[in-house]
Amino acid sequence: EPEVTQTPSHQVTQMGQEVILRCVPISNHLYFYWYRQILGQKVEFLVSFYNNEISEKSEIFDDQFSVERPDGSNFTLKIRSTKLEDSAMYFCASSETSGNTGELFFGEGSRLTVL
Amino acid sequence: GENVEQHPSTLSVQEGDSAVIKCTYSDSASNYFPWYKQELGKRPQLIIDIRSNVGEKKDQRIAVTLNKTAKHFSLHITETQPEDSAVYFCAADNSGYSTLTFGKGTMLLVSP
Repeated sequence: EPEVTQTPSHQVTQMGQEVILRCVPISNHLYFYWYRQILGQKVEFLVSFYNNEISEKSEIFDDQFSVERPDGSNFTLKIRSTKLEDSAMYFCASSETSGNTGELFFGEGSRLTVL
Repeated sequence: GENVEQHPSTLSVQEGDSAVIKCTYSDSASNYFPWYKQELGKRPQLIIDIRSNVGEKKDQRIAVTLNKTAKHFSLHITETQPEDSAVYFCAADNSGYSTLTFGKGTMLLVSP
């Protein structure tokens, strides 16, 4: 069964460092997302991406965050200068349908620890 | 924006009992309501979803009901089993593009 894959599974970084989290969405999916989950809390939407541009973003997704689809398969989330409060599990997700809510398929997550 | 409230935060039941988790949402434009199960350290996985044009949907031991007038929806699990133990999240989408607003989750513990 196809699935969303994410790397790394865990990254530890120093405050102020740049971090790039990588995702390979399911191949025939058109919509891509990043969500995050602070330990013990709910899953929060960060950004959605369609047709090579951001379609929606939350208040969390400030200027420190950026997303990119550098090639036909990868979808990345960059945090330019990490803060302690960026420590969380970051989930990439993808969806097949266009224009009508479809099932989100989540990756296994990348746990980011900022020291 | 959308706001989703979920209750209870924890729920303990005996194996074989039923479990009910309730959610309310604020935005009447929301039209898609999925439920996700998340085991410890794992990804959220969709277990059932419902769209605003139906009031109830069932899949074996799992059912979801939706009351659009009252803006609430519920997850019903019958004949619970220990492997149902997990955190369950409800969510709502008012964008039409899978931009989900999640509830805070319910930790379900099924005791043998």
